[in-house]
Amino acid sequence: NAGVMQNPRHLVRRRGQEARLRCSPMKGHSHVYWYRQLPEEGLKFMVYLQKENIIDESGMPKERFSAEFPKEGPSILRIQQVVRGDSAAYFCASSPTKKQGADEKLFFGSGTQLSVL
Amino acid sequence: AQSVTQPDIHITVSEGASLELRCNYSYGATPYLFWYVQSPGQGLQLLLKYFSGDTLVQGIKGFEAEFKRSQSSFNLRKPSVHWSDAAEYFCAVGATGTASKLTFGTGTRLQVTL
Repeated sequence: NAGVMQNPRHLVRRRGQEARLRCSPMKGHSHVYWYRQLPEEGLKFMVYLQKENIIDESGMPKERFSAEFPKEGPSILRIQQVVRGDSAAYFCASSPTKKQGADEKLFFGSGTQLSVL
Repeated sequence: AQSVTQPDIHITVSEGASLELRCNYSYGATPYLFWYVQSPGQGLQLLLKYFSGDTLVQGIKGFEAEFKRSQSSFNLRKPSVHWSDAAEYFCAVGATGTASKLTFGTGTRLQVTL
């Protein structure tokens, strides 16, 4: 049973280019979360998605960032016109259900390191 | 807004020695508290969590943590460290009612010497 798969592991982009980060949740998981870890900071919540729906995007920057989780295929975090400040590790997590509280559990991927030149 | 502070960026201990990693949180209500571990090239793995009840919680790999409301702390402990425990450790706090929208600390990197 494969874990949460993220690719690529490392992504290098020049300023102004687009970055697309992919996340395949664990089998049977229908909830996906994206977190970002800026240098010298802790992971910060960005967005929570279910299949074909954005549930909570309160942590997403207002511009250039978007996320989707289509009916088929992986979740995609898209960053348009990247800037140096977007350089960070982007982590995806999934969970099987949205049980509240003690039963809720996240499974994290190993992250995508984005470097903007 | 909730926040987490891990004051130790890097800690080195000898194998077999005891370990305590510090975590302080800021949150207005009763928090959900977590410790995650990240080994090189791996995703974050949940070590343990506190929601309510007994303030001393046991986790995997022999780790435990104690919730102290008066000190706003949730320190992670292990009585005898193994070389395989070398990793980065993250403390996190979640708003009441959720274990998924978390705020993480900056992490403590643990090095174990033989």
